[in-house]
Amino acid sequence: AQKITQTQPGMFVQEKEAVTLDCTYDTSDPSYGLFWYKQPSSGEMIFLIYQGSYDQQNATEGRYSLNFQKARKSANLVISASQLGDSAMYFCAMRRTSGWDDKIIFGKGTRLHILP
Amino acid sequence: KAGVTQTPRYLIKTRGQQVTLSCSPISGHRSVSWYQQTPGQGLQFLFEYFSETQRNKGNFPGRFSGRQFSNSRSEMNVSTLELGDSALYLCASSFPSVQGQDSYEQYFGPGTRLTVT
Repeated sequence: AQKITQTQPGMFVQEKEAVTLDCTYDTSDPSYGLFWYKQPSSGEMIFLIYQGSYDQQNATEGRYSLNFQKARKSANLVISASQLGDSAMYFCAMRRTSGWDDKIIFGKGTRLHILP
Repeated sequence: KAGVTQTPRYLIKTRGQQVTLSCSPISGHRSVSWYQQTPGQGLQFLFEYFSETQRNKGNFPGRFSGRQFSNSRSEMNVSTLELGDSALYLCASSFPSVQGQDSYEQYFGPGTRLTVT
């Protein structure tokens, strides 16, 4: 069975500092994808970044990067130069990519507060 | 390109009633998934539809059902509502996963917030 663990229920970070949100996962599938989503108070889930299990390099999207350590089953999200608008819930998620399965498994989330 | 739309955005129902939620995917997307989000259980997968067929199903009782139309629009129905069904219901659309190929991300709608009293 697949499982996503986010151990930080909440974080407070000063504006302009870098932030690392932790995510570990468990799966027996050799082929999988890892996602990070942002959920502001409005409720909509916003896709941030994706990492495939066979990707050799860490994914980056603007200020977001994914620190993928496959042996440790870790997929931490790094936000550089945080902004007030980054305050939101952040979810790490995973899905199989080896079959006909679009189901995504989510972690419990980390609530990030950016302080001015 | 328009995003995923969900209607209604907010809904208040009483126990025992039934409810239907609607989701229109991004144009060209043929896979629609539904998720339930509650403070206690977090985000849980309900089911996924592709080409009018349910392809995957989560661990929810039979009171939760869905369907997909030929234009890929999807509806979710909950019968005999219970207080515990109060949640944010999120719909997501994507290109369908193809065996052997890498995954595409799912694009979420704004959600329907259902309150059962």
